[in-house]
Amino acid sequence: DAKTTQPNSMESNEEEPVHLPCNHSTISGTDYIHWYRQLPSQGPEYVIHGLTSNVNNRMASLAIAEDRKSSTLILHRATLRDAAVYYCILSPYNTDKLIFGTGTRLQVFP
Amino acid sequence: GAVVSQHPSRVICKSGTSVKIECRSLDFQATTMFWYRQFPKQSLMLMATSNEGSKATYEQGVEKDKFLINHASLTLSTLTVTSAHPEDSSFYICSASRAIGADTQYFGPGTRLTVL
Repeated sequence: DAKTTQPNSMESNEEEPVHLPCNHSTISGTDYIHWYRQLPSQGPEYVIHGLTSNVNNRMASLAIAEDRKSSTLILHRATLRDAAVYYCILSPYNTDKLIFGTGTRLQVFP
Repeated sequence: GAVVSQHPSRVICKSGTSVKIECRSLDFQATTMFWYRQFPKQSLMLMATSNEGSKATYEQGVEKDKFLINHASLTLSTLTVTSAHPEDSSFYICSASRAIGADTQYFGPGTRLTVL
C-alpha cells in the first residue's frame, strides 16, 4: 500500500483558513487520494477525495500537485467543530480498502 | 446521507466471555463492510473485509478464529470477539460502502469494548 506522510499536529484560529499537507511520493497512477477526519470518540467521517484535478465540496477543497506526489486539504474557515484528526489515505480505484496512517491532529482555538 | 449504526456503543465484559458487535447500514445496501480496531491515541487498524454471503477476508496478523465476522445480509455485519481478554479492550469501528470501488466509506460511531 502506498504510504502517506502528514505532520503530527497543526493549530489554527477560528475563522482562519487551514492548509493540511500530505506527501505521497510513491503514489501510483490508479490511486485515489481520500481525506477522512475523526472527531474524538467517534467513527471517521468522509471529507473529500480526488484523482488528479482539484476538488471542492461543502466541507473543504482538495488541491493536488501536478505530479500527484502531494496534496493539501483546505478548510476555508476553521470552526471549533473542525478540531479532529485528519487522515490522508491512498486507495486504488478497484478496491474499497482504506489503510489509515497516523493523521494530523488539528487544534482550533477560539 | 448514508447512516451506519453500531450496537452496542459500549460493552464491559469479563475475561473469557464472548461479545457480539452489530453493524448496520440503515438507509442503503452495503456491498462491503469493514471492521477496524483503534487503541487509545493510535490510528485505525483494518481487521477484516466482509462481503455479504461470503467469508470475510482478514488482514495479516488478525486471528480469524478469535474475531468471527458474519455478513448475513446487505445491511448487517456482526463481529464476535471470542474468549475476550483485557488486551482485546479497544474501540471497534465498522464501515460500509455501497459498491466495490465506491468513492466513500460510511463509518459507524464505534463500540467501546472493555474486558475486565
